Amino acid sequence: AQSVTQLGSHVSVSEGALVLLRCNYSSSVPPYLFWYVQYPNQGLQLLLKYTSAATLVKGINGFEAEFKKSETSFHLTKPSAHMSDAAEYFCAVSETGANSKLTFGKGITLSVRP
Amino acid sequence: GAGVSQSPRYKVTKRGQDVTLRCDPISSHATLYWYQQALGQGPEFLTYFNYEAQPDKSGLPSDRFSAERPEGSISTLTIQRTEQRDSAMYRCASSLRTGANTGELFFGEGSRLTVL
Repeated sequence: AQSVTQLGSHVSVSEGALVLLRCNYSSSVPPYLFWYVQYPNQGLQLLLKYTSAATLVKGINGFEAEFKKSETSFHLTKPSAHMSDAAEYFCAVSETGANSKLTFGKGITLSVRP
Repeated sequence: GAGVSQSPRYKVTKRGQDVTLRCDPISSHATLYWYQQALGQGPEFLTYFNYEAQPDKSGLPSDRFSAERPEGSISTLTIQRTEQRDSAMYRCASSLRTGANTGELFFGEGSRLTVL
């Protein structure tokens, strides 16, 4: 079975500050890992994904995430927050060799203060 | 279509009524997923289709929930005898194919169901 833990439900940062959203996973087989973002009144969209190639993955809008097997983590970072980054962020895991069924975390709401 | 389209966007119904939600996926996509998202939670898998086949219904919470995709394109999710606990956002997503496990699902805006 696979699962995702996103601790906390809300993160607030100042514009220009570092963004760090944490994600830990559990999987019985090598995982694929994803971050999805949901802007208000929109559907979820893929931010970035790890599929067993490079452990440091770059996504859209300046976000990146690093897969750390020893820590079972896939934290999302961005060096400098922008007001437009305010959204809800979901970490998700799927098992290699399986269909693309994703297991999502509870999500974290990011607020950006001017 | 160009994106995943879901209807209705909002549905309010009374307990005990049946509800049908519709999803029109991206036209080239073979695989279609249904997720349920309760308030304050992440999306939870309900079921998926490869064209018209439905290999996995493991996430459907009870036999009151059913889904169809008869011609391998548009899908419907039906909830019979709705209960208040069914209130949630229902999300549809599609992807090019399964098995490749790309994980890139394209989501619609969702259908918010409220059961009074």
